[in-house]
Amino acid sequence: GQQLNQSPQSMFIQEGEDVSMNCTSSSIFNTWLWYKQDPGEGPVLLIALYKAGELTSNGRLTAQFGITRKDSFLNISASIPSDVGIYFCAGQRVNFGNEKLTFGTGTRLTIIP
Amino acid sequence: DAGVTQSPTHLIKTRGQQVTLRCSPKSGHDTVSWYQQALGQGPQFIFQYYEEEERQRGNFPDRFSGHQFPNYSSELNVNALLLGDSALYLCASSSGPIYEQYFGPGTRLTVT
Repeated sequence: GQQLNQSPQSMFIQEGEDVSMNCTSSSIFNTWLWYKQDPGEGPVLLIALYKAGELTSNGRLTAQFGITRKDSFLNISASIPSDVGIYFCAGQRVNFGNEKLTFGTGTRLTIIP
Repeated sequence: DAGVTQSPTHLIKTRGQQVTLRCSPKSGHDTVSWYQQALGQGPQFIFQYYEEEERQRGNFPDRFSGHQFPNYSSELNVNALLLGDSALYLCASSSGPIYEQYFGPGTRLTVT
């Protein structure tokens, strides 16, 4: 099945650093969502974006809905150990009968001691 | 407020067998979607249930079927299991098909 392109694939950073990741698609979405997944668990919703150009924050996390509606960005400021995990973007269309989530390939975040 | 719950947590089956996975949505949610997540990949959409009917379906064979009950809980059935069906099966619920989806912890299925 289709997967969106996320970059980078993995990141190795030190605690306190800022993190940036992005997600791109060849087609338009009406909604962009960002999830975090820890090993063996289900994805946890971090931020939802509904409008092109929208910038939304959730604590140290900030996400943006790209103007073209084909991309989205997630920034994490001042990273802490509990930020470790895999971050997935997901795009959603709101056409009747076609509201499934299409996920990205994931960005694995590791904090180096 | 209970979140999305799934059972069982883990399951080991043999090729050719059949399996049923269960999901209870978050309180107030009426829509359930199922996803398959292979190791190292993002979740792939299987199907979505709303008003006890399959609303949309991903690119999965007919061996994958489901059901939604009047209390909005749902089951995923997989027949004639293949080794390639080994994955984490995730259930997500929402307060309607167009709204943000919240995931359960998943069921880890291993087919030997």
